[in-house]
This record gives sequence, structure tokens and C-alpha cells, in this order.
Amino acid sequence: AQKVTQAQTEISVVEKEDVTLDCVYETRDTTYYLFWYKQPPSGELVFLIRRNSFDEQNEISGRYSWNFQKSTSSFNFTITASQVVDSAVYFCALSEARYSSASKIIFGSGTRLSIRP
Amino acid sequence: DTEVTQTPKHLVMGMTNKKSLKCEQHMGHRAMYWYKQKAKKPPELMFVYSYEKLSINESVPSRFSPECPNSSLLNLHLHALQPEDSALYLCASSPRTGAASPRDPQYFGPGTRLLVL
Repeated sequence: AQKVTQAQTEISVVEKEDVTLDCVYETRDTTYYLFWYKQPPSGELVFLIRRNSFDEQNEISGRYSWNFQKSTSSFNFTITASQVVDSAVYFCALSEARYSSASKIIFGSGTRLSIRP
Repeated sequence: DTEVTQTPKHLVMGMTNKKSLKCEQHMGHRAMYWYKQKAKKPPELMFVYSYEKLSINESVPSRFSPECPNSSLLNLHLHALQPEDSALYLCASSPRTGAASPRDPQYFGPGTRLLVL
């Protein structure tokens, strides 16, 4: 069965520290898609990145970087030089190709990140 | 413009009331979603509309009734709700790019915070 595990429930760091959010997934499909979403206190989930199962290239976008490793079924997210505005709940999510009618996403339980000034 | 709007932002209703939540997107997306999110939990999928047709109903109680009048609008009609239905209700949309739609990220609205008394 498909599953997304975010073992870190809460993380608190001081501003400018680097922080890594872990995500481990389970799926029997060979084609799948992984996502990260950010949910600030306002409530809206913001799409950050999508990764295909056949593309293991890591990605960097400004202070954000993502490390996808199929061998360990992990898709970790690192924020470099964290800022107070990064404080939010971050969700890792999985979408499988079997659901062809629409994009059905399975969310992890989320990691609440607090950046202290 | 990746914007999904939802009204109202907040709603308080009694268990005998009838109310509706509204969601709108003008990105030309052809899949729209309703999620329910309880505090400190990930969003839970309720309904999926694909090309204005209901394609997924996650065994949601009949006191929640979705409606998709056109490709830009999605409503959620509420009737005889219970206090445990109090939650953040999120709407999302995705492009629905044919068979590859599971790869489509979903774009979320800010949500409606519902309190049932």
C-alpha cells in the first residue's frame, strides 16, 4: 500500500541555521510522483516541487534543495540559511499513476517547522 | 496566475442550518477537489471532479453534497452537520493533463474555517 512518512513532527531552529525535513515513502508502482507543499499559518497549501520517479536528479531553488533517493525511498527537503518566514507546516506527498482520472495525492502527516529569530 | 479563491473565509453554523462553501479558479484547470483538514493533521480528500463530473467520492457522509456548476466553480453544500465536522475545508484544482494527470500538482485555496455548534 502507498504511504508517506514524515517522522519529524516538529522542528525548531534558530534563524540562519540549515534544516532538513525527512520524507520516506512506500509504493508498489514504478511510476509515481512526489511533491512538497508548504502550509503557513494562513492555511493555504503552497506547491513547492514535484519529482518524477524516473528522475533522480536533485534540485535546488534558491535556499531550497531536494534530495531524491529511490534506493532508500526518500525525498528530503533542505532549507539553507533558514528565515522566520520559512515557519510553516511542510507536507510531503505521493501521487500514483494508477489514478488516471485525476491527481490523487497521499499526504504525509507533516512537519511543523519553527524558525526562531 | 495560480489562484484559487474560496468563500467564505470563516463560517459558524448550527447543526440544523444549511450553508454552502464556494470555490473558484480561472486557470483553466479541469480537475477540482474538496479536502477536509483537522488541526495538526494532513488534508483528507473528500471529492474529486474531473471535467465537471464527480470522479472520486471518498465515502463522505451525505450531509456533504458537492456540486460543480461549470469548469471554474465548485460548491460544497452543507446540511445537518455535526460538531465533529468543524475543520478547515480546502479547495484545490489541477490541470488534468489527460493520462498524465497524476503528475499534476494541485493548487490550493486559502480554505474556509468551519465551526459547527
